[in-house]
Amino acid sequence: SQQGEEDPQALSIQEGENATMNCSYKTSINNLQWYRQNSGRGLVHLILIRSNEREKHSGRLRVTLDTSKKSSSLLITASRAADTASYFCATDASRDDKIIFGKGTRLHILP
Amino acid sequence: DSGVTQTPKHLITATGQRVTLRCSPRSGDLSVYWYQQSLDQGLQFLIQYYNGEERAKGNILERFSAQQFPDLHSELNLSSLELGDSALYFCASSVASSDHEQYFGPGTRLTVT
Repeated sequence: SQQGEEDPQALSIQEGENATMNCSYKTSINNLQWYRQNSGRGLVHLILIRSNEREKHSGRLRVTLDTSKKSSSLLITASRAADTASYFCATDASRDDKIIFGKGTRLHILP
Repeated sequence: DSGVTQTPKHLITATGQRVTLRCSPRSGDLSVYWYQQSLDQGLQFLIQYYNGEERAKGNILERFSAQQFPDLHSELNLSSLELGDSALYFCASSVASSDHEQYFGPGTRLTVT
């Protein structure tokens, strides 16, 4: 079964609005990373948050991590058309260093 | 451009055949990861090498094997190919362990007919 599960599966919002995506996982982790993928292309790393961190910011991105709930959220503020992509969370399991990606959230920014 | 290169970009082959996918990591990166992405399975971690040694293993089939060479490039060998092996295969690299961000290559699209 998937370690990381993103929610929602798909999200459409108006340009300028904020987009929030969630990720839940099952086992203890060393870190959690968020990646972005434009259709059929390689993934681009967005942000890494370690298990002892609760919140991180990078530009318009804000990531939170709640290890007690085994969940993370990615917030993109002031969305732009160029943010249209799929967003994946990836967990690095502390038990065996296996990296597990969720199925992703497809984000569509409407002009 | 992530600095990770993968060849070939596209590969079309028949069932039962064997193919080799190649990956060159970013300069200075010691870890290489292989992933398979398909519509039904999503992005699956296959295997990680660190400085020539296998570091972590994911959902890699026995028909698949990989290695990392002394110059740190890596190859993924897929044998006895089946229709279900059709997918995008990504290579990624990172400075050291999985506690660092990964840089993904553009992928190899494999089509098995």
